[in-house]
Amino acid sequence: EVQLVESGGGLVQPGGSLRLSCAASGFTFSDYWMDWVRQVPGKGLEWVGQIRNRGVPYTTNYAASVKGRFTISKDDSKSSVFLQMDSLKIEDTAVYYCTRENWYRFDPWGQGTLVTVSS
Amino acid sequence: QSVLTQLPSASATPGQRVTISCSGSSSSIGTNPVNWYQQHPGTAPKLLIYSNNQRPSGVPDRFSGSKSGTSASLAISGLQSEDEADYYCATWDGSLNGYVFGTATKVTVL
Repeated sequence: EVQLVESGGGLVQPGGSLRLSCAASGFTFSDYWMDWVRQVPGKGLEWVGQIRNRGVPYTTNYAASVKGRFTISKDDSKSSVFLQMDSLKIEDTAVYYCTRENWYRFDPWGQGTLVTVSS
Repeated sequence: QSVLTQLPSASATPGQRVTISCSGSSSSIGTNPVNWYQQHPGTAPKLLIYSNNQRPSGVPDRFSGSKSGTSASLAISGLQSEDEADYYCATWDGSLNGYVFGTATKVTVL
């Protein structure tokens, strides 16, 4: 069964940092591009960024709202993708999902992890 | 930011058909395949339609998608109570060099 499990969410002060992890299983992780998508509670989905596979290699792209503050990395040996979030703002408060990208589509999605930025 | 526009709500009675539209631009829908996601409250989104009109295995054939120019549509026929959810369109936007999601349509089964 293909599965993605996020962890690392929590409460952080504005200006602080947090690192999210996403552990994958059930597929050849190294072959795939991986993305992060976030959702402010009660609001819509917002793409955060992507990391491509070693064939590209490991190219990253980010939404304008997080570029320069967030960094996505991938450890194929651990079948994991990470989202390093620095200089966090209150508006970064959201549920963060990791998802597998395959030819423009996101499938499956993890269960999400809540990040709350508040003083 | 959402650059794909959806009407915020749609409703119909059980058994009826509902259609959800998604409007984009030449750099988004006009160039790239559209996918649709279904999200029930408190759960992660689920891929419903990919590559404009393809259904993943396990998705009922009541769900269908189409694309024309810079717009796309999702149709749900034979509406059932479990179809009550939020629906998002999504695609790659070449001018933004990133993915964009629609503003979401909440489907209510009356």
